[in-house]
Amino acid sequence: KAGVTQTPRYLIKTRGQQVTLSCSPISGHRSVSWYQQTPGQGLQFLFEYFSETQRNKGNFPGRFSGRQFSNSRSEMNVSTLELGDSALYLCASSLLAGWDTGELFFGEGSRLTVL
Amino acid sequence: KNEVEQSPQNLTAQEGEFITINCSYSVGISALHWLQQHPGGGIVSLFMLSSGKKKHGRLIATINIQEKHSSLHITASHPRDSAVYICAAIGNEKLTFGTGTRLTIIP
Repeated sequence: KAGVTQTPRYLIKTRGQQVTLSCSPISGHRSVSWYQQTPGQGLQFLFEYFSETQRNKGNFPGRFSGRQFSNSRSEMNVSTLELGDSALYLCASSLLAGWDTGELFFGEGSRLTVL
Repeated sequence: KNEVEQSPQNLTAQEGEFITINCSYSVGISALHWLQQHPGGGIVSLFMLSSGKKKHGRLIATINIQEKHSSLHITASHPRDSAVYICAAIGNEKLTFGTGTRLTIIP
């Protein structure tokens, strides 16, 4: 059974550009959540999607957005990139909605560098 | 003050030692995850628990919801256990992460 796949793994952008990151969950998993990890702030929750609906959103500006498709694949978009957006972006999938319903399966992450 | 605190921040031990990592939280929660992150970034979920104790191999996790405290224990530690261990508390529809404990096991 394939794990959670995130693409691209590494990318470099410049300030003001936008970026789209993709996450394909484990087959059969309908919940996808996104996280940002930086050396200064650690891991922080971005969004949670279940069956194409955003269930929950973390405390991030509107430049951060996401969506989930009917096949449960999810994308997140960051517009007007700032230097502080440089981070490792991780997604996780699970069978059911909510973090207390079962195990989370994480992808390897997309490492974004903003110059 | 973070809502989720971990201690110690860094821990170096000899192979074979018994390891304890602590996680305390200041808000009411329904459950807590323990995660392991190796260099390179990949995260593996070790446990999700809402009460009592869980064991998997050499790893044991305990939680006392009322005392707002959880511990992760590693018995007979091995160099391959070297990683960052992170607890994540679930409460009020939020997932809040601890700052992580960097564990290094020396052969």
